[in-house]
Amino acid sequence: EVQLLESGGGLVQPGGSLRLSCAASGFTFSSSAMSWVRQSPGKGLEWVSTISGSAIRTFYADSVKGRLTISRDNSKNTLYLQINSLRAEDTALYHCAKGVHSSSWYTYDSWGQGTLVTVSS
Amino acid sequence: QSVLTQPPSASGTPGQRVTISCSGSRSNIGGNTINWYQHLPGTAPKLLIHSTNERPPGVPDRFSGSKSGTAASLAISGLQSEDEADYYCATWDDSLKGVLFGGGTKLTVL
Repeated sequence: EVQLLESGGGLVQPGGSLRLSCAASGFTFSSSAMSWVRQSPGKGLEWVSTISGSAIRTFYADSVKGRLTISRDNSKNTLYLQINSLRAEDTALYHCAKGVHSSSWYTYDSWGQGTLVTVSS
Repeated sequence: QSVLTQPPSASGTPGQRVTISCSGSRSNIGGNTINWYQHLPGTAPKLLIHSTNERPPGVPDRFSGSKSGTAASLAISGLQSEDEADYYCATWDDSLKGVLFGGGTKLTVL
């Protein structure tokens, strides 16, 4: 059974940083592209970033480019999202999502429950 | 304001057929396949339709997808109370080099 467990969220002041993690199990991690998708309170799903299975290719939403870095450690079956210069508009539930293959940028067949990031002073 | 436009809400009675639209442009819907996700609040989103009109294993054939030009649609026939959820279309945008989600449609079963 595929499991995706996010962690690392919390309350942080504007301008601060966080590193989110997503521990994966139940599938061959390196064979799947992985993505982060967030949902702000009262809003819809918003794609944030995607990384290929080999980590060679990365993609970012324009709204976060330059402040976020997606990475993965295939030896640890873990996906990461480093968020710097946090803003109030980054407040959201951050889901990690599994692509159906190594270069599947937007077809996610499993999702985690999410980790909540709250940016507030 | 999402690049992919969905109606904010839709509704139907049990047994009815409802459709949810997703409108985009040549750089996204016009040139790429479409996925649809079902999201019940408090749960993880679920892949409902991929590759525009393919259902993953376990998804009932009451759900179907289609595309024409720069617009896509999700159809739900034989509406059931458990279909009450938020529905999102998603695709790739060749110009933005990124993934787009529609703004979401809240489906209410009356």
